[in-house]
Amino acid sequence: GAVVSQHPSWVICKSGTSVKIECRSLDFQATTMFWYRQFPKQSLMLMATSNEGSKATYEQGVEKDKFLINHASLTLSTLTVTSAHPEDSSFYICSPGTNSYNEQFFGPGTRLTVL
Amino acid sequence: AQTVTQSQPEMSVQEAETVTLSCTYDTSESDYYLFWYKQPPSRQMILVIRQEAYKQQNATENRFSVNFQKAAKSFSLKISDSQLGDAAMYFCAYRSRSGGGADGLTFGKGTHLIIQP
Repeated sequence: GAVVSQHPSWVICKSGTSVKIECRSLDFQATTMFWYRQFPKQSLMLMATSNEGSKATYEQGVEKDKFLINHASLTLSTLTVTSAHPEDSSFYICSPGTNSYNEQFFGPGTRLTVL
Repeated sequence: AQTVTQSQPEMSVQEAETVTLSCTYDTSESDYYLFWYKQPPSRQMILVIRQEAYKQQNATENRFSVNFQKAAKSFSLKISDSQLGDAAMYFCAYRSRSGGGADGLTFGKGTHLIIQP
């Protein structure tokens, strides 16, 4: 399977600060990047989909101005949580897309805790 | 919009026995993929098995097999000879084929599988 990395693996920040999460696909080029959020003891929920070089598409209920996604290259996508609040504390997982419908790889996730 | 339902929040099975996890889904599409993912305590998502909707034959991967009933929109996972390492959260997921690769996965709420030694 594909190798996907996320950095940082965990981060603690103060309320009101911004946090950037990086996702890298190390051995293939991802034209699409999916970002998911997983609250404790809950399922993964798709937040947004981005295509390399274009604006992200956000799912209903996800604030695009709060969760900034940049997909500037085929191997790197970033998610920035702006003005983070305690309710943004969650596990964020990236998932690079391929042209193959039956393959979907996931990064190891980033645990965000906002104090 | 598609929905995925896993009605068993938790299941427990004795080691070496067989367990079946249930999943139903709702869609108006005819062409799609279904997946079972395993999420151990590390929280890394691991693909267990996948099924293409146009294939009638049920997918099998070693001790893991599915019972895919397209008309009933049911996609259950059977784990044979359960092992301690199978303990994890299991998520059923749906992916449309209509979006040209632009569709993410829709997940069920998950089933926590406990293996009793």
